[in-house]
Amino acid sequence: EVQLVESGGVVVQPGGSLRLSCAASGFTFDDYAMHWVRQAPGKGLEWVSLISWDGGSTYYADSVKGRFTISRDNSKNSLYLQMNSLRAEDTALYYCARDPASGYDSGYMDVWGKGTTVTVSS
Amino acid sequence: AIWMTQSPSLLSASTGDRVTISCRMSQGISSYLAWYQQKPGKAPELLIYAASTLQSGVPSRFSGSGSGTDFTLTISCLQSEDFATYYCQQYYSFPYTFGQGTKLEIK
Repeated sequence: EVQLVESGGVVVQPGGSLRLSCAASGFTFDDYAMHWVRQAPGKGLEWVSLISWDGGSTYYADSVKGRFTISRDNSKNSLYLQMNSLRAEDTALYYCARDPASGYDSGYMDVWGKGTTVTVSS
Repeated sequence: AIWMTQSPSLLSASTGDRVTISCRMSQGISSYLAWYQQKPGKAPELLIYAASTLQSGVPSRFSGSGSGTDFTLTISCLQSEDFATYYCQQYYSFPYTFGQGTKLEIK
């Protein structure tokens, strides 16, 4: 079964840092680009970041550029999101999601995890 | 960035109805558009990609159309399990963006 499981979400103070993880199983992880998407409480979806299958290319939303870093460890079938200089507006449920194209990124998401909650509050 | 206007934000309908949701782009995106369904407390699910291609396993009552700047999601005969929130997403250029969402509720 194809599965994505996020972890690492906690309550953190403004200005703090956090690293989210996403464990993938049931598919050949290093064939696929991966995304992070977030959803603030009661709000819509916001695309956060994309990393290519080999980690060689990364892209970010303007709202997180310079503060967040996406990375992956294909030997561990894992995706990460390093979040620095956190702000109250970063409070959200963070989903990792698979890009369905093998060997490149198509841009949309066909498999989603259940998400992990980040709360930025003093 | 490409701005998206999704409408309506709230749609009331009954089982068996045919409904349409619109997504308009601030610039042309060819057919680089996807539609997702999200139920309360659940992750989104992919319905349609490339504007009109149905994702495997999605019922045929869902269809998508459009290209350029104007896109539509149609549900031809609403079932009880279709009451949810729907989002469009453009993947023509970075940063990728989602529409604001349409909540489909029971009338």
